[in-house]
Amino acid sequence: DGGITQSPKYLFRKEGQNVTLSCEQNLNHDAMYWYRQDPGQGLRLIYYSQIVNDFQKGDIAEGYSVSREKKESFPLTVTSAQKNPTAFYLCASGRTTEAFFGQGTRLTVV
Amino acid sequence: AQSVAQPEDQVNVAEGNPLTVKCTYSVSGNPYLFWYVQYPNRGLQFLLKYITGDNLVKGSYGFEAEFNKSQTSFHLKKPSALVSDSALYFCAVSRTTDSWGKLQFGAGTQVVVTP
Repeated sequence: DGGITQSPKYLFRKEGQNVTLSCEQNLNHDAMYWYRQDPGQGLRLIYYSQIVNDFQKGDIAEGYSVSREKKESFPLTVTSAQKNPTAFYLCASGRTTEAFFGQGTRLTVV
Repeated sequence: AQSVAQPEDQVNVAEGNPLTVKCTYSVSGNPYLFWYVQYPNRGLQFLLKYITGDNLVKGSYGFEAEFNKSQTSFHLKKPSALVSDSALYFCAVSRTTDSWGKLQFGAGTQVVVTP
């Protein structure tokens, strides 16, 4: 099936550790996005990439990093510099006039 | 800057009654508006979009939305709600036409449909 796969579904991290969230798509979309969701705040854009080997910061990029070495993959690293990393993270890919979302990764810092 | 407001944190409706979820927007230029639905611990599912054309947009699962330029609103509606419609609903506006997934979201409205 075509779609966006995020893994893992749940992730636990100790304070001070970096962690990488995976996002893979087989929709042949050029553009990919990372959003963070917190209760009562909607979704906020972290990073996005419109083409391989290029990406831009979104509204809340501090403490996060990304790479886009392949069209299908857009991993997000949550670094130890991110002050409040516990959240639900959603990856999306886009085509003309529409974005498709993965099922999300819930990250908890323990 | 683009912005979207969903004035209601929660909407309660009895099964079989009409459902309306409100959304107002503020954009410079033409608005490109979307509705998504989210079930617990899941990703967002696309419901419908307004890009241009008819003000009444029909979408998935019996939902529709009316674009009102004068009131800068894009309310989501369903004539007869189902218990399975209970979910979190997001209104969003595209911030650019060259990257359609670059969306500005509202805070979301929790819909609760009671039997």
